[in-house]
Amino acid sequence: EVQLVESGGGLIQPGESLRLSCAASGFTVTSNYMSWVRQAPGKGLEWVSIFYRGENTYYAESVQGRFTISRDISKNTVFLQMNSLRVEDTAMYYCARGGYSGGDSPLPLSWGQGTLVTVSS
Amino acid sequence: QSVLTQPPSASGTPGQRVTISCSGKDSNIGSNYVFWYQQLPGTAPKLLISRNDQRPSGVPDRFSGSKSGASASLAISGLRSEDEADYYCASWDDSLSGHVLFGGGTKLTVL
Repeated sequence: EVQLVESGGGLIQPGESLRLSCAASGFTVTSNYMSWVRQAPGKGLEWVSIFYRGENTYYAESVQGRFTISRDISKNTVFLQMNSLRVEDTAMYYCARGGYSGGDSPLPLSWGQGTLVTVSS
Repeated sequence: QSVLTQPPSASGTPGQRVTISCSGKDSNIGSNYVFWYQQLPGTAPKLLISRNDQRPSGVPDRFSGSKSGASASLAISGLRSEDEADYYCASWDDSLSGHVLFGGGTKLTVL
């Protein structure tokens, strides 16, 4: 059974850093596209970042240069390092598994339960 | 403002058929699959339709998806109270470097 478990969220001040984790089971994170998607309180879904084919990574303009997606194959875990956090980064952050990175669609097939990040002074 | 355009709200009575539209461009919906997600209050999104019209195992056949050109639609027939949720369309965009696009979401109310 595919499972995604996010952790690492919390209350943090503007300008500080936070690292989110997404522990995967039931599949290998290198076999599938892996994305982070966020949802601000009362708002819609916003794509943040993706591990594309191989080591290629992409980011939304709103987080480019501040956020970094990475993975630890030995732990089957994907991370999102978030630096220079802003109030507007406050959101529930979801980890999502896409199709097989060999040629399937990168869009999410399954989602974790999310981890809440609150940026406030 | 989302690149994929959805109506902010939709409604229907139990048993009715409701459709939700999703409009994009040639570079996204026009040349890539559309996925649909259902998000019940307080929960994570759940895949409802993949590859334009494919229902994952466990999704009732009351839900159906279609795509024509740069637009897509989600239809829900035999509307039930438990269908009250937010619905999002999504697609990949070829003109943006590695971008997944989501629609703004449609809040479905069952009257």
